[in-house]
Amino acid sequence: ILMTQSPATLSVSPGDRATLSCRASQSVSSALAWFQQKPGQPPRLLIYGASTRATGIPARFSGSGSGTEFILTISSLQSEDFAVYYCHQYHSWPPGTFGPGTKVEIK
Amino acid sequence: EVHLVESGGAVVQPGGSLRLSCAGSGFIFDEYTMHWFRQVPGKGLEWISLITWDGGSTFYSDSMKGRFTISRDNRKNLVYLQMNSLRSEDTALYHCVKEKSRVFDYWGQGTLVTVSS
Repeated sequence: ILMTQSPATLSVSPGDRATLSCRASQSVSSALAWFQQKPGQPPRLLIYGASTRATGIPARFSGSGSGTEFILTISSLQSEDFAVYYCHQYHSWPPGTFGPGTKVEIK
Repeated sequence: EVHLVESGGAVVQPGGSLRLSCAGSGFIFDEYTMHWFRQVPGKGLEWISLITWDGGSTFYSDSMKGRFTISRDNRKNLVYLQMNSLRSEDTALYHCVKEKSRVFDYWGQGTLVTVSS
């Protein structure tokens, strides 16, 4: 299963909403997770099951979608949210497939 | 709080070997499948291998099968990655990852492996 993410880079002003897209080449049902990675840090799990926030993740992060189309929304970007975001399907296992990532940068 | 701490990264010559270790804490280690990933700085994530909770099953990426071996010691809360016949393209940051129901829920900071003459 191939994963694509769009856009590759998203320029957003602090306080604005960011919408990131992830598409699977075939249905993955709801077996989709989102990760955030900042420079010099490992990936951090944000969302799993397409829409369930992981422990300690702020409510401004939300996930939606099923099948082949998924969205990660950051409702009001904070300075600490500028990072690379990866989606990961775990329907086919092991180990699933990561998308190439979307870089969210300051506009 | 879950902690995963990798160690063992070093500079090694092509053809050499290295064993990485990962110490887990803050969770019941022998209940979870563990994975190794690697990442070249600025590039994407590459899965290497997994080992089930009891060490009974292991899986490898096709590109690393035969050169890398994963193992674990549940008495010591450690998971290992033995890497042989290292190549320059194995240069990367290596992460230990805890898995829960197919979700990679915690990642270690990583240990750097540099393969260079």
